[in-house]
Amino acid sequence: AQSVTQLGSHVSVSEGALVLLRCNYSSSVPPYLFWYVQYPNQGLQLLLKYTSAATLVKGINGFEAEFKKSETSFHLTKPSAHMSDAAEYFCAVSGQGSGTYKYIFGTGTRLKVLA
Amino acid sequence: DAGITQSPRYKITETGRQVTLMCHQTWSHSYMFWYRQDLGHGLRLIYYSAAADITDKGEVPDGYVVSRSKTENFPLTLESATRSQTSVYFCASSNPSGANVLTFGAGSRLTVL
Repeated sequence: AQSVTQLGSHVSVSEGALVLLRCNYSSSVPPYLFWYVQYPNQGLQLLLKYTSAATLVKGINGFEAEFKKSETSFHLTKPSAHMSDAAEYFCAVSGQGSGTYKYIFGTGTRLKVLA
Repeated sequence: DAGITQSPRYKITETGRQVTLMCHQTWSHSYMFWYRQDLGHGLRLIYYSAAADITDKGEVPDGYVVSRSKTENFPLTLESATRSQTSVYFCASSNPSGANVLTFGAGSRLTVL
């Protein structure tokens, strides 16, 4: 069975500060891992994905995430927060392969960026 | 327009009424999904479809019906709406060669009075 835990439903950072959003997963099979971002009144957009290639994954808007198998983590980071980063972020896991399309989403972390 | 579109974007209905949320995608993606988003629960899968005429239940299917007669359309029907079905509904699609990446519609906000 797969599951995702996002630590912290709300995170506040100052503009220019490091962004760290935490995600831990459990999976009985090698996982694909994803971070999606949701801006107000919009659907989710892919930020980045891990598909068993490089463990450090770079995404859009300066975000990156590192897959750590030993810690079953896939934390999202950005060196310097911008006001435009304020949104809700979802971590998700799915099995690998075309036949494993059931995603499990975390409950989301709302990021607030303070001026 | 290219992409995935949902309609209506906003809907208010009464308990017991039938409601259909529409989803249309232009990429010919084989997989389509319906999720509901509720505070504190994240996104929960209602139904998904691997291809036309192939559908399967997700995590929270009770009270919902889906069909997929054409690859591009995946309507979601609430046969007798209840207040607990007040939520934001998202349709998504995925390409088998796209490493399971989901592409989402903008959502349909449903209020059941």
